[in-house]
Amino acid sequence: GAVVSQHPSWVICKSGTSVKIECRSLDFQATTMFWYRQFPKQSLMLMATSNEGSKATYEQGVEKDKFLINHASLTLSTLTVTSAHPEDSSFYICSARLSGRTSYEQYFGPGTRLTVT
Amino acid sequence: GDSVTQMEGPVTLSEEAFLTINCTYTATGYPSLFWYVQYPGEGLQLLLKATKADDKGSNKGFEATYRKETTSFHLEKGSVQVSDSAVYFCALSDQTSGSRLTFGEGTQLTVNP
Repeated sequence: GAVVSQHPSWVICKSGTSVKIECRSLDFQATTMFWYRQFPKQSLMLMATSNEGSKATYEQGVEKDKFLINHASLTLSTLTVTSAHPEDSSFYICSARLSGRTSYEQYFGPGTRLTVT
Repeated sequence: GDSVTQMEGPVTLSEEAFLTINCTYTATGYPSLFWYVQYPGEGLQLLLKATKADDKGSNKGFEATYRKETTSFHLEKGSVQVSDSAVYFCALSDQTSGSRLTFGEGTQLTVNP
């Protein structure tokens, strides 16, 4: 149980285009989902916290208008990288927390590798 | 603010060797502590966790004990296997930050046959 999927698993896009990444909780409902960015051989950097039905909370230094997050249902959150540039190339990972649980445990998706050419 | 510090890697061991990856933390409240493992090209998987002082988390032969007095959560395994080669992340979640996770830098482990 507690499986999180991401789609696509990898994507290559041209500079200036937008890319949407989906994060789904497959067998549970997730009120809260998180989006992370990971550079090669580095740790995960929290980008934003996504709550179902409300606006995402972005970490300091993360551009809200560039990284659009939508959490329209209890099983789906999307991250859209707008007007992508080569420096946006990275590994994007989402995680989800079970609704109604007091545990702080998060379940992670397999990640999406974005390459901007 | 909260922070997690892991021993610097990479760590290279022979199969059946003893593994220790050090992790220390600073937190304003009473955090829950986690070890996550990331295999090449994949997302993170929870390896083990401990939610209060003196708790011992264990899974797949790995163990870590929540030591409040030394603010540590060192990961150990008595006999590593080649399949344990991965990146290991120590993390904490503090009550004051809800379920936000603060990660350490990660330690790359390579086990040679």
